[in-house]
Amino acid sequence: AQSVTQLGSHVSVSEGALVLLRCNYSSSVPPYLFWYVQYPNQGLQLLLKYTSAATLVKGINGFEAEFKKSETSFHLTKPSAHMSDAAEYFCAVSGPNAGNMLTFGGGTRLMVKP
Amino acid sequence: EAQVTQNPRYLITVTGKKLTVTCSQNMNHEYMSWYRQDPGLGLRQIYYSMNVEVTDKGDVPEGYKVSRKEKRNFPLILESPSPNQTSLYFCASSTGTAVNSPLHFGNGTRLTVT
Repeated sequence: AQSVTQLGSHVSVSEGALVLLRCNYSSSVPPYLFWYVQYPNQGLQLLLKYTSAATLVKGINGFEAEFKKSETSFHLTKPSAHMSDAAEYFCAVSGPNAGNMLTFGGGTRLMVKP
Repeated sequence: EAQVTQNPRYLITVTGKKLTVTCSQNMNHEYMSWYRQDPGLGLRQIYYSMNVEVTDKGDVPEGYKVSRKEKRNFPLILESPSPNQTSLYFCASSTGTAVNSPLHFGNGTRLTVT
């Protein structure tokens, strides 16, 4: 069974500050890991994914995430927050034989203060 | 424009009154899925379909039905809605597995059952 824990349901940062959204997973098989973003009144969009290639994954809009097997983590970061980054972010995990069966975390709402 | 279209966007109904939420995609995707989103719980999969006439239960299928008679459409049916089905629902589609093909989400249907 797979599960995802996102620490912090709400994160607030100032514009220009570092963004760090935490994600820890549990999986009995090598995982595939994803970050999705949801802007207000919209569906989810894929930010980035880890599929067992490079452990540091770069995504859209300046976000990146690092897969750390020893810590079972896949935290999302961005060096400098922009007002347009305000959204809800979801971490998700899938096993290699699970097709499109994604298990999502509870989500983290990012607020960016001017 | 490639998209997943859900209707309606908002729906208020009463307990026991059958309803259908439609979902249509114009990308010729084989895979389609329904999720419900609840605060703190992230997205949970209700049903999915790997292709026409092939459907399977996700994590929370109780109280829901689906059908996949055509490749582009995947309606979600609530035969006898109850208040605990008040939620935000998303339809998603993709052409392959989550690893190789990101899920494309609709803009959501907010359902309230009184």
